[in-house]
Amino acid sequence: DAGVTQSPTHLIKTRGQHVTLRCSPISGHKSVSWYQQVLGQGPQFIFQYYEKEERGRGNFPDRFSARQFPNYSSELNVNALLLGDSALYLCASSPRSQASLYEQYFGPGTRLTVT
Amino acid sequence: AQSVTQPDIHITVSEGASLELRCNYSYGATPYLFWYVQSPGQGLQLLLKYFSGDTLVQGIKGFEAEFKRSQSSFNLRKPSVHWSDAAEYFCAALGVNAGNMLTFGGGTRLMVKP
Repeated sequence: DAGVTQSPTHLIKTRGQHVTLRCSPISGHKSVSWYQQVLGQGPQFIFQYYEKEERGRGNFPDRFSARQFPNYSSELNVNALLLGDSALYLCASSPRSQASLYEQYFGPGTRLTVT
Repeated sequence: AQSVTQPDIHITVSEGASLELRCNYSYGATPYLFWYVQSPGQGLQLLLKYFSGDTLVQGIKGFEAEFKRSQSSFNLRKPSVHWSDAAEYFCAALGVNAGNMLTFGGGTRLMVKP
């Protein structure tokens, strides 16, 4: 089975622009979570979606938004990009919404550079 | 505030030597605890997890971790390190009823000398 896939692999944007990152979960997984990993730091939780509903939101500004589609894939959108948004964006999928019961599987990430 | 701390940013060990990576957490109640490994260009891979019960947890790739409530610690150990273990290691915690909202430490980069 294919693992979690993310696209694109790398992306370069200019300050003020908008970006859309995509994630396809493992087949059968209904929960998708997004994390931001700034260079030299641990990942920070941004959003969790389960069955197309937002189940959790981290401490990120409203410029960050996400959605989950009927096929359980997900998009992360970031508006009005800032230099500080440069990071590796990780997507994780799991069968259900509780990481205490079900392992989260992480994708390889999308490296976003804002210039 | 809930937090996870990994005091060591970098650690270098010789191949075949033992390894211990430190992790401390600050939570109101004991959280669920995890160790992940990240190789360059890769996503995060779960090594092991602690929910309750036996405080010594066995994981993949020969790793183990010990939960110590009195010290709020969850240190990762391996008796004999292989060159392929060189990577970034992250400790993470999950509060009860926190869904999938993991809180990660800052990571420890492990380098292995031949």
